[in-house]
Amino acid sequence: SQKIEQNSEALNIQEGKTATLTCNYTNYSPAYLQWYRQDPGRGPVFLLLIRENEKEKRKERLKVTFDTTLKQSLFHITASQPADSATYLCALDPGDGGATNKLIFGTGTLLAVQP
Amino acid sequence: GAGVSQSPSNKVTEKGKDVELRCDPISGHTALYWYRQRLGQGLEFLIYFQGNSAPDKSGLPSDRFSAERTGESVSTLTIQRTQQEDSAVYLCASSLVFLSAKNIQYFGAGTRLSVL
Repeated sequence: SQKIEQNSEALNIQEGKTATLTCNYTNYSPAYLQWYRQDPGRGPVFLLLIRENEKEKRKERLKVTFDTTLKQSLFHITASQPADSATYLCALDPGDGGATNKLIFGTGTLLAVQP
Repeated sequence: GAGVSQSPSNKVTEKGKDVELRCDPISGHTALYWYRQRLGQGLEFLIYFQGNSAPDKSGLPSDRFSAERTGESVSTLTIQRTQQEDSAVYLCASSLVFLSAKNIQYFGAGTRLSVL
């Protein structure tokens, strides 16, 4: 069956450390993968997109990797701050060449950065 | 408006009543999506509209759920004869659909539905 898995347990880290969140998928062949941030009571906000032919993408303190062999994406936040505390969702296209224009979302990982 | 607008932000209803949720997408965005998010869960796809094409209704959980969209503007999600299991946050998103946009979705704040 097709599924996207993110660590359901909250990730607690100390301020200043690097947070690493994992997104694993099975039975999809996505052309790209996206990461979103969701704060309580808000809708998700787009952060980064990485294409299947890209190994790594950076934006300020954020870094995303995409390994299509392992079927895994890693999301890193360096020099983490308490303001980075939120739920982070990965999302991918189903790999049907855009026929559906849908995104499939993971369940998200809650990140808590302790001061 | 600058972003996706949803109303109401909160809705409390009694079991068996009908509810209507509204979404106003970003101007110019041809695609519109509805999702359901239960407490502590991920986003569950409900329905997708793209221009004048037939909507993708594959995520609607039952025939009590329906949605409409007028052209490329406002959409309404209707839940008939609400059940307690319908309690959730209903999120709407819009996006541009062309190759370089890669379906980046812009979300509203959601409608929190509570069925008593």
